[in-house]
Amino acid sequence: GENVEQHPSTLSVQEGDSAVIKCTYSDSASNYFPWYKQELGKGPQLIIDIRSNVGEKKDQRIAVTLNKTAKHFSLHITETQPEDSAVYFCAASGIQGAQKLVFGQGTRLTINP
Amino acid sequence: EAEVAQSPRYKITEKSQAVAFWCDPISGHATLYWYRQILGQGPELLVQFQDESVVDDSQLPKDRFSAERLKGVDSTLKIQPAELGDSAMYLCASSLPHRYEQYFGPGTRLTVT
Repeated sequence: GENVEQHPSTLSVQEGDSAVIKCTYSDSASNYFPWYKQELGKGPQLIIDIRSNVGEKKDQRIAVTLNKTAKHFSLHITETQPEDSAVYFCAASGIQGAQKLVFGQGTRLTINP
Repeated sequence: EAEVAQSPRYKITEKSQAVAFWCDPISGHATLYWYRQILGQGPELLVQFQDESVVDDSQLPKDRFSAERLKGVDSTLKIQPAELGDSAMYLCASSLPHRYEQYFGPGTRLTVT
């Protein structure tokens, strides 16, 4: 089955700097890659996603890139703000139609003022 | 904005007792998921429903866990008997039919003593 590895497990950046989180997946049939943000005591919130037919997608300060050949995808957050502090999860959907998501282990992002 | 509702938000139970969680998906979302999230890890799928039918329950420990969605709307996840290792966050998510985007509820934090 699908396996998703996420790095780093913790990341600390200065406010205003950029943050990058990387994930690799194992199933070449995976075709949907979402990113979730989870704040303490809350459920995961979908922040951006990308399909396998697209190499990059941007939404304001957030961007995701996908390299299907290397089977890895990344989340980029620019101009970080204190409210970006949270745990971020990547996921991959490797079963067409069944929509099953396999999640990475998460990255705890801390923005230092 | 429509949200997935879950109750209770917190539950403390003694081992060997029965416990139940409830989820009400976003209106119109025919697909419903139950995930378990152990502290410090990503969510793992327990069961997926399409309307009232189970699509995937391969990771559901069927000797003690059961899930139902009798009318194809809200759903109940039950554990009987609870074990210490069941302490985790139980998350419910929903999506439109044949769409990948999954939206999560706030979760139920279960502590088994």
